[in-house]
Amino acid sequence: AQRVTQPEKLLSVFKGAPVELKCNYSYSGSPELFWYVQYSRQRLQLLLRHISRESIKGFTADLNKGETSFHLKKPFAQEEDSAMYYCALSGPSSGGYQKVTFGTGTKLQVIP
Amino acid sequence: DAGVTQSPTHLIKTRGQQVTLRCSPISGHKSVSWYQQVLGQGPQFIFQYYEKEERGRGNFPDRFSARQFPNYSSELNVNALLLGDSALYLCASSGGLDRAYNEQFFGPGTRLTVL
Repeated sequence: AQRVTQPEKLLSVFKGAPVELKCNYSYSGSPELFWYVQYSRQRLQLLLRHISRESIKGFTADLNKGETSFHLKKPFAQEEDSAMYYCALSGPSSGGYQKVTFGTGTKLQVIP
Repeated sequence: DAGVTQSPTHLIKTRGQQVTLRCSPISGHKSVSWYQQVLGQGPQFIFQYYEKEERGRGNFPDRFSARQFPNYSSELNVNALLLGDSALYLCASSGGLDRAYNEQFFGPGTRLTVL
């Protein structure tokens, strides 16, 4: 079964401080991991995916298969980073389709 | 392209009624997925359709059904509404099923309130 765990509902950091949003997953195969972000009054949108190995808006995330983690990191938080962040896992299910499982989300609050 | 569109934006129904939500995917996308997002939770997978066929179903009762039309738009139907069905219903489209095309593009959602 697919499972995504985001242990923190709320993470408050000061502007300029490092940010780490935690994500752990449970999946027996080779998953594809994503981070989605939802800014206030905007729709859910993709931030980054592990296969791209990109840095988007200063954020990076490394897939650690040994620890089954996909933590999102940014060295210096900015006020505009305040948003809801969801970790998601995509992988084939028993039915043969690509099922996406989302975590419960972490609200990042950057304090000026 | 306006992206994924959903209608209506908001909907108020009473218990026992039926509701139909609509979704138009991004032009060229053949896969549509439906999610339910209850306040304070992440999106929960309901259905995925690809090329007009159901390809996946989450843990939702049979009161929930969906279909996809030849133009790849989709409808989500919920019968015999319960108070607990109150949620934001999200539609997401993607190009296909395999890894190269499975990035989900989300619509703004339909806020359903059941009284």
